[in-house]
Amino acid sequence: GQSLEQPSEVTAVEGAIVQINCTYQTSGFYGLSWYQQHDGGAPTFLSYNGLDGLEETGRFSSFLSRSDSYGYLLLQELQMKDSASYFCPAGKSTFGDGTTLTVKP
Amino acid sequence: NAGVTQTPKFQVLKTGQSMTLQCAQDMNHNSMYWYRQDPGMGLRLIYYSASEGTTDKGEVPNGYNVSRLNKREFSLRLESAAPSQTSVYFCASSDMRGASGELFFGEGSRLTVL
Repeated sequence: GQSLEQPSEVTAVEGAIVQINCTYQTSGFYGLSWYQQHDGGAPTFLSYNGLDGLEETGRFSSFLSRSDSYGYLLLQELQMKDSASYFCPAGKSTFGDGTTLTVKP
Repeated sequence: NAGVTQTPKFQVLKTGQSMTLQCAQDMNHNSMYWYRQDPGMGLRLIYYSASEGTTDKGEVPNGYNVSRLNKREFSLRLESAAPSQTSVYFCASSDMRGASGELFFGEGSRLTVL
């Protein structure tokens, strides 16, 4: 089975940098993905880490350490539209309850 | 390019009624998935189909059945709806069956069971 741990809520101000952590326990690990979901919308894919290290896509970066069973999503230059829930599924079956990010002006 | 299309978008049922949620993708993906999302919670996998002709149970399959009609279509059926099945249902597809491979989601079907 799988288990995921993320903070339930994070608050930051516009223009700031925020890091959302994710720790996982899973049998048979193949990588960590990140998805964003706005209230009332569908999840959308942000990034995937199959190997250790940092992946950068514009203002978003994602990091994985397989030895620590740990990853994080880094959001830079926060914008109001980044207010959403963020999920870090380790596979396609378990999304966990996610982290709700609130960006304040 | 429509991506993943789900119908209906909204549905209200009475306890004991049956219904089928339809899902179609036009990206030629092999794998398709059905999830449910209860308020304030994450997605839980109900059933998935790794390829045409195969289906497998996910985390929460009880009370549901699925049919992979062809490569494009994957339907979810509630035989006897219960209030506990009130949820938002998302269909998704992917071109890879493993952990990697982006999931593309439909807009969701909001089901209320009275």
